[in-house]
Amino acid sequence: GQQVMQIPQYQHVQEGEDFTTYCNSSTTLSNIQWYKQRPGGHPVFLIQLVKSGEVKKQKRLTFQFGEAKKNSSLHITATQTTDVGTYFCRVYNYGQNFVFGPGTRLSVLP
Amino acid sequence: EAGVAQSPRYKIIEKRQSVAFWCNPISGHATLYWYQQILGQGPKLLIQFQNNGVVDDSQLPKDRFSAERLKGVDSTLKIQPAKLEDSAVYLCASSLEVSNQPQHFGDGTRLSIL
Repeated sequence: GQQVMQIPQYQHVQEGEDFTTYCNSSTTLSNIQWYKQRPGGHPVFLIQLVKSGEVKKQKRLTFQFGEAKKNSSLHITATQTTDVGTYFCRVYNYGQNFVFGPGTRLSVLP
Repeated sequence: EAGVAQSPRYKIIEKRQSVAFWCNPISGHATLYWYQQILGQGPKLLIQFQNNGVVDDSQLPKDRFSAERLKGVDSTLKIQPAKLEDSAVYLCASSLEVSNQPQHFGDGTRLSIL
């Protein structure tokens, strides 16, 4: 079956530091979505990537889809306390269904 | 635009009891999903509806879980009888016609089994 990993599982950063999480798949992906879930909240859609090598930016967040469409990254520049939460990738494999990754939990120390 | 509505927000029951959750998706969203999210894990798809038809229920424990979406709008998820390992947050999400559209989640129901 489809294997989805997210690295790291946890990350603690000082406010102002950068943060990157990676989503890796064992198979080629059709597209990938990123979601953020605040503590006690529900997942909220951030972005969708479809094309090989695609890069999208949302203010301090940069999303990238790997050239081989097997991995993706989310990079946050100069983290703020509002960035705290768990970041999930949701991947779609050709012919299969969407699967959520296990998530990366980000803590930001003020 | 009103979001995905779920009720109740919290439920505490004893093992072997029954429980039901309700979800009303965003108006016009044909696809509805039920997820189980255990603490510290990503959401796990239980069932996906397209209008009132089931698209994927491969991970639904059918001996105890059931779900329906009779009129293609709101949906109910039932557990009967509940087990201790069913303690989790049950999230409902909806999206436009096709499943690769962004999902919009409700606040979830936090279920505790004693």
